[in-house]
Amino acid sequence: DAKTTQPPSMDCAEGRAANLPCNHSTISGNEYVYWYRQIHSQGPQYIIHGLKNNETNEMASLIITEDRKSSTLILPHATLRDTAVYYCIVNRGGGTSYGKLTFGQGTILTVHP
Amino acid sequence: DGGITQSPKYLFRKEGQNVTLSCEQNLNHDAMYWYRQDPGQGLRLIYYSQIVNDFQKGDIAEGYSVSREKKESFPLTVTSAQKNPTAFYLCASSSYGSGTISPHEQYFGPGTRLTVT
Repeated sequence: DAKTTQPPSMDCAEGRAANLPCNHSTISGNEYVYWYRQIHSQGPQYIIHGLKNNETNEMASLIITEDRKSSTLILPHATLRDTAVYYCIVNRGGGTSYGKLTFGQGTILTVHP
Repeated sequence: DGGITQSPKYLFRKEGQNVTLSCEQNLNHDAMYWYRQDPGQGLRLIYYSQIVNDFQKGDIAEGYSVSREKKESFPLTVTSAQKNPTAFYLCASSSYGSGTISPHEQYFGPGTRLTVT
């Protein structure tokens, strides 16, 4: 599975959009981009995933570049409860890599008043 | 409510003792996973199971054992052979997809914090 690179930390003001970048320059054609987040001392929570197209759900938007080598997770109106570690994960479907998510160190997002 | 249960939340053991961590899910998911997390680090996969009575080693399986006798349950035993067992242990589950479709969401339990002294 492709490796991802994320900034170690970011800050965001409450009510503003939080844009979290992720580089995955070695991603292959059948690999998805997933985002999870982990609030302190809790289990990670799925946020969103995508393959090629941009995706949006009730939590966030995912923007994937045309060459798929990078992506951005957007939290449109960050709240204090969005303070967490955000993990960008690339995963290949099927075979021996099924379900084997590789979590890096992620980005610590701090939302401040 | 559907979800994943891990118990206990905190567990303390003496060095040299085996300890079993519980993980139960009522989501009717086929696949289950065990991860370990050390302070300031990401999660690392210990074992995973795609179906009852079958499981595979993850990236750091040494010193751990699992069983999958029921679809709902995937207990993890931390044996005395695990050199650094103190960690936060997370269990997860997901729906089974076809061979070419990746599972799109893993549901995680609240975790068990194990301390071995």
